[in-house]
Amino acid sequence: NAGVTQTPKFQVLKTGQSMTLQCAQDMNHEYMSWYRQDPGMGLRLIHYSVGAGITDQGEVPNGYNVSRSTTEDFPLRLLSAAPSQTSVYFCASRLGLAGGTDTQYFGPGTRLTVL
Amino acid sequence: AQSVTQLDSHVSVSEGTPVLLRCNYSSSYSPSLFWYVQHPNKGLQLLLKYTSAATLVKGINGFEAEFKKSETSFHLTKPSAHMSDAAEYFCVVSENDYKLSFGAGTTVTVRA
Repeated sequence: NAGVTQTPKFQVLKTGQSMTLQCAQDMNHEYMSWYRQDPGMGLRLIHYSVGAGITDQGEVPNGYNVSRSTTEDFPLRLLSAAPSQTSVYFCASRLGLAGGTDTQYFGPGTRLTVL
Repeated sequence: AQSVTQLDSHVSVSEGTPVLLRCNYSSSYSPSLFWYVQHPNKGLQLLLKYTSAATLVKGINGFEAEFKKSETSFHLTKPSAHMSDAAEYFCVVSENDYKLSFGAGTTVTVRA
């Protein structure tokens, strides 16, 4: 198993540009999510999905869109990049057991800089 | 509502000495608690988790944590630090199926 994969690893954008961060998992996990990591703030949830066709907002959803057309893929779209979106983005997945007790698996991250 | 406070932003220890990373949480329900580790430029890896079974939880690489409900704490310890333990550590609480709340992180430095 490749686990959770993310592309690209690094990206530099100009303000106003759009782009899509890719995330895929091969573990047949129902639950997938996107986090951003900023210094001193831990990880904050952007969007999550509990299965194909079902998505919902997390703590910091503004400026981001998601969709989940398949179990495996969960792309994150930046509609019009802003410097405040400079961050490290992590995709994660877990099986989806009740009670939030199952282990969450993280991808290697995408380091995004918006100029 | 749930939240997590990691009491130390940075901990420095000598190789071979004990490591203590402190975590307090607040939760309206009986939470699940996790510790994750992040090595430089890597993703997060699960160290251990508490899910209402034994209050003393053993994890990978010699780490363990004790859940103390009366103190709302879930501190992480290791008896003897190794150079490879240098990393950032996150305490995480989960109250429900969908949302994890992360602490701000503790950076561990290990001196030779």
